[in-house]
This record gives sequence, C-alpha cells and structure tokens, in this order.
Amino acid sequence: DTAVSQTPKYLVTQMGNDKSIKCEQNLGHDTMYWYKQDSKKFLKIMFSYNNKELIINETVPNRFSPKSPDKAHLNLHINSLELGDSAVYFCASSRRENTGELFFGEGSRLTVL
Amino acid sequence: AQKITQTQPGMFVQEKEAVTLDCTYDTSDQSYGLFWYKQPSSGEMIFLIYQGSYDEQNATEGRYSLNFQKARKSANLVISASQLGDSAMYFCAMIRPIQGAQKLVFGQGTRLTINP
Repeated sequence: DTAVSQTPKYLVTQMGNDKSIKCEQNLGHDTMYWYKQDSKKFLKIMFSYNNKELIINETVPNRFSPKSPDKAHLNLHINSLELGDSAVYFCASSRRENTGELFFGEGSRLTVL
Repeated sequence: AQKITQTQPGMFVQEKEAVTLDCTYDTSDQSYGLFWYKQPSSGEMIFLIYQGSYDEQNATEGRYSLNFQKARKSANLVISASQLGDSAMYFCAMIRPIQGAQKLVFGQGTRLTINP
C-alpha cells in the first residue's frame, strides 16, 4: 500500500486555468506538507497542516490555497496558473513528535503552457 | 534563519569506491535534526539517514553514515562501496520543529554519478 499518494502524477494545463492536486496518507500521521521543487531541483516548503490546522505558510502567492478536510488529506488548489508555477509538487507527512522523518509522495509534475 | 549549503553540484565516482557528499549548515537553534534524502531519476524522495543535534554518535544506516561535526556545522554523507544504483540527486536537509510541524530546509542538492 502506498503510504503517501498524490494525484495526478502529471498535469499539463494552460496559463490562467485553475487546477488541484490531491494528497492522501494512510500512515496515521498528524502533519502534512506541500513542497515545491523547481527546475533547478531546489525544494522549498509551501504549507504545513497539523490535524487540519494551518501551521506553516511560507511566502506563497495567494493563488495557492491548501485545504485539509481531515488529517489524512491535504489538497493543493492553484488559481490562475502562471508559467512559473511549473514544477514538481511533493506532498509529505510526519508524526507530531519531533522524530524527524518526513514521508514523501511520488510528486506531481505540473507543466503550465 | 536556517541555511543548508551543498557545495558540490555534481560528483563522479567509480563503482565500489567510497564517496563523501558535503553539507554545511547554519542555525541559531540549539536543537535541530539533519537529514539526507536521495532522489533517483524516477523522482521520488527517499529517506536515507537522520542525525539529531544531541546525538553523540554519528548515525549509520547500512552503507550510509553521517559524519557529524557539530563545531564545524557539517553533516557530510558517506556512502561506502558505491553501487550503480546510487546514482541520483542527494539532498541534505535541516529540520526545525514548529508547533507540531517539522519544517525541512533543503540544500541545493548534489548529483552523484557512479561509473562502472
């Protein structure tokens, strides 16, 4: 069974469209994250939710809106897509305690044309 | 602010040789954690090894060991007896706990290529 699963894995869309990426984890973790990996492979945190509460909100355009319906799901909705949004988006989860390891999903590659 | 620096954009190593990937960090926190992740060409992020700032011994996981030098703020990854399957991007990261979440700050990554 996949621990952290993201859908879709690939997404190609036009500028100006609105799209969503879904993430689910079956590890029973309390905390979930969205990371963005740009074309230079640099990974940067975007958001983190702990038990449906927003904990980390980095400097991200407000076109990006995370939604956590329950602690096992954290979806990412992006409005008015721009060329610069093209990247790989990784979902991750971790236990609440400071034990360290984040479990990553396989990534969702978004291409904006 | 926390910062992770990986100074080696790319490395080429012969199969079966040991390889050291450099990582230095900067933080004002007393308690922190350091990670290494591997990202093969397929794209997934694979956890390799973790070192807590208060751990007295260097972490080891199979062929992976972390050379932790706290005074120098370095956390180099050592891979012994490298294999072709070790070819991948390697990311050093520092973790900072924030109210139940754990913010990972990543370095720029090192692309390791193992030659047969």
